[in-house]
Amino acid sequence: EAQVTQNPRYLITVTGKKLTVTCSQNMNHEYMSWYRQDPGLGLRQIYYSMNVEVTDKGDVPEGYKVSRKEKRNFPLILESPSPNQTSLYFCASSLLPIDNEQFFGPGTRLTVL
Amino acid sequence: GENVEQHPSTLSVQEGDSAVIKCTYSDSASNYFPWYKQELGKRPQLIIDIRSNVGEKKDQRIAVTLNKTAKHFSLHITETQPEDSAVYFCAASHMNTGFQKLVFGTGTRLLVSP
Repeated sequence: EAQVTQNPRYLITVTGKKLTVTCSQNMNHEYMSWYRQDPGLGLRQIYYSMNVEVTDKGDVPEGYKVSRKEKRNFPLILESPSPNQTSLYFCASSLLPIDNEQFFGPGTRLTVL
Repeated sequence: GENVEQHPSTLSVQEGDSAVIKCTYSDSASNYFPWYKQELGKRPQLIIDIRSNVGEKKDQRIAVTLNKTAKHFSLHITETQPEDSAVYFCAASHMNTGFQKLVFGTGTRLLVSP
């Protein structure tokens, strides 16, 4: 089954404790992206990757890191989480950069205390 | 950079009525405009999209119109059903240093009452 998976689905952590949210797709998509969703603000892009070892900042990259060592995986790293990073996070992938349907993962709800 | 505004933020209709959601964008170079539907607790899913060389596109009960001159596009849902209740996001795609970036609107919560 073609899909985008994320783990964990729910996470409660404390300020400053490094965490990683994994994202994997099995559709051989080149483009992957991370979004955060906050009430009243819609979906905002954090980082994106056009291919292996090619990543760039989105609209809200501060406090986040990403890596793309393999085509299928695109982890999101929070080196020192803060309460303002409490949000719902979505990973997405598409065959082509943007001008093509984006397939979203199930989401990760993160709470930073 | 691109800015996408979406209205209304909430929309309540009776089953069978039509619903219209409007979006405006700022970058005249934007050329791809998708609409995503997000049901409660679920992930966003593409329902329809339109490219800048087309003025209107239909798929059964949903349609999207694009006015490039005015830089706005709209989603039209006819004969609404309770299962249409969801949050709808518009988006616009524009070039950014050789890469097309997708910017989303803030969403419209549609409630269809039986």
